[in-house]
Amino acid sequence: AQSVTQLGSHVSVSEGALVLLRCNYSSSVPPYLFWYVQYPNQGLQLLLKYTSAATLVKGINGFEAEFKKSETSFHLTKPSAHMSDAAEYFCAVSEGYSTLTFGKGTMLLVSP
Amino acid sequence: DTAVSQTPKYLVTQMGNDKSIKCEQNLGHDTMYWYKQDSKKFLKIMFSYNNKELIINETVPNRFSPKSPDKAHLNLHINSLELGDSAVYFCASSFREYGELFFGEGSRLTVL
Repeated sequence: AQSVTQLGSHVSVSEGALVLLRCNYSSSVPPYLFWYVQYPNQGLQLLLKYTSAATLVKGINGFEAEFKKSETSFHLTKPSAHMSDAAEYFCAVSEGYSTLTFGKGTMLLVSP
Repeated sequence: DTAVSQTPKYLVTQMGNDKSIKCEQNLGHDTMYWYKQDSKKFLKIMFSYNNKELIINETVPNRFSPKSPDKAHLNLHINSLELGDSAVYFCASSFREYGELFFGEGSRLTVL
């Protein structure tokens, strides 16, 4: 069965600092992995996805994530945080035809 | 032109009432979903329809009844509303084999 663990319900960074949001997954087959962002009072928007091509995936708004099979991880990073990055971030896993399973989310707080 | 649209955006109602939420997608996807997001932001799959056929029906009270008149529409009807039904309900759609979900803006249900 597939599952996702996001370490840290809240992550605080200063504007301009590196953003690192952690995600570990469990899957019985090669997974598809996703990061979604949710701004207040809005739906979820896809940031990036891994579907067994390049292990380093680039997404929108300067975010990227690296698939590490040996560590079963798919951490999300951004070199320099902006105030507008403050939002809830969700990691999700799918086993192809299965429905996405989401992690519990990480709230990113950005201070000036 | 909104890809996944759901109405209404806000619902405030009394316990015991019946309410419906409508969802439409214009992306040509073959699969549609209802997710429930609780106050802690946890996203839980409720139902999934593929080409109008129910394929996922998680442990949800039978007061919740989805209906898919065609591939582009998936409605959610809730009978005898309870306080615990208060949440944000998200509709989403995808091509089943790819897993990537496209979300609506959400419908916030408040039961008093």
